[in-house]
Amino acid sequence: ETGVTQSPTHLIKTRGQQVTLRCSSQSGHNTVSWYQQALGQGPQFIFQYYREEENGRGNFPPRFSGLQFPNFSSELNVNALELDDSALYLCASSHPGQGLVGYTFGSGTRLTVV
Amino acid sequence: KQEVTQIPAALSVPEGENLVLNCSFTDSAIYNLQWFRQDPGKGLTSLLLIQSSQREQTSGRLNASLDKSSGRSTLYIAASQPGDSATYLCAVSGIQGAQKLVFGQGTRLTINP
Repeated sequence: ETGVTQSPTHLIKTRGQQVTLRCSSQSGHNTVSWYQQALGQGPQFIFQYYREEENGRGNFPPRFSGLQFPNFSSELNVNALELDDSALYLCASSHPGQGLVGYTFGSGTRLTVV
Repeated sequence: KQEVTQIPAALSVPEGENLVLNCSFTDSAIYNLQWFRQDPGKGLTSLLLIQSSQREQTSGRLNASLDKSSGRSTLYIAASQPGDSATYLCAVSGIQGAQKLVFGQGTRLTINP
């Protein structure tokens, strides 16, 4: 069983709306990353948080934003939704020894924008 | 800019065969390489992690190799089973800044009974 939990599992939103996706990481995992996976593609890096600060960002516009909380949970917020935002959103967490054990992924949130 | 390529995009083999999935990356300055399995519509399950200083890792019927100098990794699956059917993704973690994962597009594997 994965130690990373994402909610909700599925979501349907209308173009222009805002959405918040949630992730609960394992205790001690102070690094969390978010990825977007379009159908048939590999996941694309959105951003990473370390100790509640953003410390890396991929090629995504500012309407994609995030938060990380002291209890190892995090959020991904997307404003002004576009049809192309429809994808599987994955959260991944790791602890300080990431280089040794890698990332643990959640089961994802499937977002559909109509 | 790191780019990861996986060949083939899809593979269909009969049950019991041994098979090899390929992954190549353009920048050899990596921290580690990770192989994942993804079932349709699901998240990623980590299979094997190879540190940049290692040559291979094994777990059960799976063996992953890494040749950093040539920018290649292979995932070998022995005695394939229908339950191995899934998409297999490789990802590399860079050594600069945030250790984000750069993924290939995956190989969709079908094992026929």
